[in-house]
Amino acid sequence: DVKVTQSSRYLVKRTGEKVFLECVQDMDHENMFWYRQDPGLGLRLIYFSYDVKMKEKGDIPEGYSVSREKKERFSLILESASTNQTSMYLCASFKDGLNTEAFFGQGTRLTVV
Amino acid sequence: QQQVKQSPQSLIVQKGGISIINCAYENTAFDYFPWYQQFPGKGPALLIAIRPDVSEKKEGRFTISFNKSAKQFSLHIMDSQPGDSATYFCAARGTGFQKLVFGTGTRLLVSP
Repeated sequence: DVKVTQSSRYLVKRTGEKVFLECVQDMDHENMFWYRQDPGLGLRLIYFSYDVKMKEKGDIPEGYSVSREKKERFSLILESASTNQTSMYLCASFKDGLNTEAFFGQGTRLTVV
Repeated sequence: QQQVKQSPQSLIVQKGGISIINCAYENTAFDYFPWYQQFPGKGPALLIAIRPDVSEKKEGRFTISFNKSAKQFSLHIMDSQPGDSATYFCAARGTGFQKLVFGTGTRLLVSP
């Protein structure tokens, strides 16, 4: 079974803190993604990576950065957390190729107070 | 151009009824259209997917209908069951680029 594992299910952080969200996949997938999920807005792409050390901005990258030092691990960094970054964060990965399935982690519910 | 528009935002269907969720896209480079199902507290999981060279794909009670000329596709859930109550997302991706673009989601409630 493919597994995408996010390091935390729930996080509470203070405004201005630097926050790290970690994601690990065990199926040698080239492509990894970070989305945030908010009611009525669906899944919005923050950043994605198609190879080690490669990253691309998604639709809402402001206030976020990412790191991919190893193929299996993709980290999302909130440089200075703000209350409007309170959300559900979802990591996903899929293999290169036609019509390959994307697999999601269970999500991290982040609350910034 | 990267958007996928999904409707309705929420849907209540009686047990045994048909649930229909619609999506529309603009980017003609999209060539893979998956639907994802998400239960509370879980990440989305692939339900069914279609390519635009077919007009319909059926897996059990779930069917995708695809209209290439209208740039629309829809999910039909036949004989809807309370266990189908979840949030459903349509998505789209194109050959040659890795972004998987999602619709805004539909919250389905199937009443017993």
